[in-house]
Amino acid sequence: GQNIDQPTEMTATEGAIVQINCTYQTSGFNGLFWYQQHAGEAPTFLSYNVLDGLEEKGRFSSFLSRSKGYSYLLLKELQMKDSASYLCVSMDSNYQLIWGAGTKLIIKP
Amino acid sequence: IAGITQAPTSQILAAGRRMTLRCTQDMRHNAMYWYRQDLGLGLRLIHYSNTAGTTGKGEVPDGYSVSRANTDDFPLTLASAVPSQTSVYFCASSDGANSPLHFGNGTRLTVT
Repeated sequence: GQNIDQPTEMTATEGAIVQINCTYQTSGFNGLFWYQQHAGEAPTFLSYNVLDGLEEKGRFSSFLSRSKGYSYLLLKELQMKDSASYLCVSMDSNYQLIWGAGTKLIIKP
Repeated sequence: IAGITQAPTSQILAAGRRMTLRCTQDMRHNAMYWYRQDLGLGLRLIHYSNTAGTTGKGEVPDGYSVSRANTDDFPLTLASAVPSQTSVYFCASSDGANSPLHFGNGTRLTVT
């Protein structure tokens, strides 16, 4: 079956670095997305990886290893506004999206 | 308006009543989607439309119907609401298969 695994909750300190891991099992693979969702709001797009390697976008970076079915989202210089849920989403060979339940990130001062 | 607009923002509905959730986008995206989001679960696709005039069933279509008469509008109808349809409903659109989704602000629906 198709599945996404990511931690339910993580806690980090303001100014620090945090890595949110995601493993996926997908029928075929057409890329992996990360979305950010603040409480009570809609998800917003953060990154898309389809090739192996690291994509950097400001304080946020996303990594993909297709052979390991693994991705991570790296957040640097954490700010209080980064407190949110982070959703890992894979795309299968039919371009169907498989959504993880999300990782709730709590930032402490 | 820039993006996707959903209405209503929230609604309390008696079981057995009919309800239509509205969704309008102004980005001229071909693909549109309806998701529901429940605590502890990933987003689940209810119905989708790849282009105006066509619709398809997602993962959890039972009890819901959609129409896509034009590019901009994609309403979701609950013919006879049941308590298990209590959820947050998100409408989304995209510019293509590998493109990111743009979401509306959601409709919080409670069926009593």
